[in-house]
Amino acid sequence: NAGVTQTPKFRVLKTGQSMTLLCAQDMNHEYMYWYRQDPGMGLRLIHYSVGEGTTAKGEVPDGYNVSRLKKQNFLLGLESAAPSQTSVYFCASRNARRVAGPSGGANVLTFGAGSRLTVL
Amino acid sequence: SQELEQSPQSLIVQEGKNLTINCTSSKTLYGLYWYKQKYGEGLIFLMMLQKGGEEKSHEKITAKLDEKKQQSSLHITASQPSHAGIYLCGADPLIISSGSARQLTFGSGTQLTVLP
Repeated sequence: NAGVTQTPKFRVLKTGQSMTLLCAQDMNHEYMYWYRQDPGMGLRLIHYSVGEGTTAKGEVPDGYNVSRLKKQNFLLGLESAAPSQTSVYFCASRNARRVAGPSGGANVLTFGAGSRLTVL
Repeated sequence: SQELEQSPQSLIVQEGKNLTINCTSSKTLYGLYWYKQKYGEGLIFLMMLQKGGEEKSHEKITAKLDEKKQQSSLHITASQPSHAGIYLCGADPLIISSGSARQLTFGSGTQLTVLP
């Protein structure tokens, strides 16, 4: 099925270890995002990308790096994991252009199923 | 920056009861999105509202956006256990700042429990 796929779904790390979360979308979306979800805090934007080869910082970027070498993939890296990075991570994508009227459904932000990361 | 307040934080209702979740923005919106999340799963898109005064329904869920496009409500009629989960509202800002990627700002979520 078309959509956003995240891997891995679960991961346990020790403090100081590194890892990469992979996000892949097959909808030809220009924009891609990484959010983290913590209890009582909703979704907070970590990094985002407006196209292949470009990335930018979101609300909580510290401790994370990202890369978008291909349009369909957006990678989130943790170079030295910390317990504060224990969270559920969501990738999302959408079209670049706003669409009004009956085709407004094209504005929808599509999410992956999430990756649950625990840092001990 | 865009502020989005969602209330209540949690809600426990008896099956068959009606309920309402509210979402208030500090700024006028281009669009307001409602998502539902079941525990351990991703966010499922429910509805999008773009016009002031707009109302949309899907099965027993109705979402409204006020005329000023700053407040939205999600109403569930005759709730069922299948409605349980976390409901999140997401705001699409009217004014897109330079360099942004039109990221949505989300409310903190409403945890809904429906007792059988």
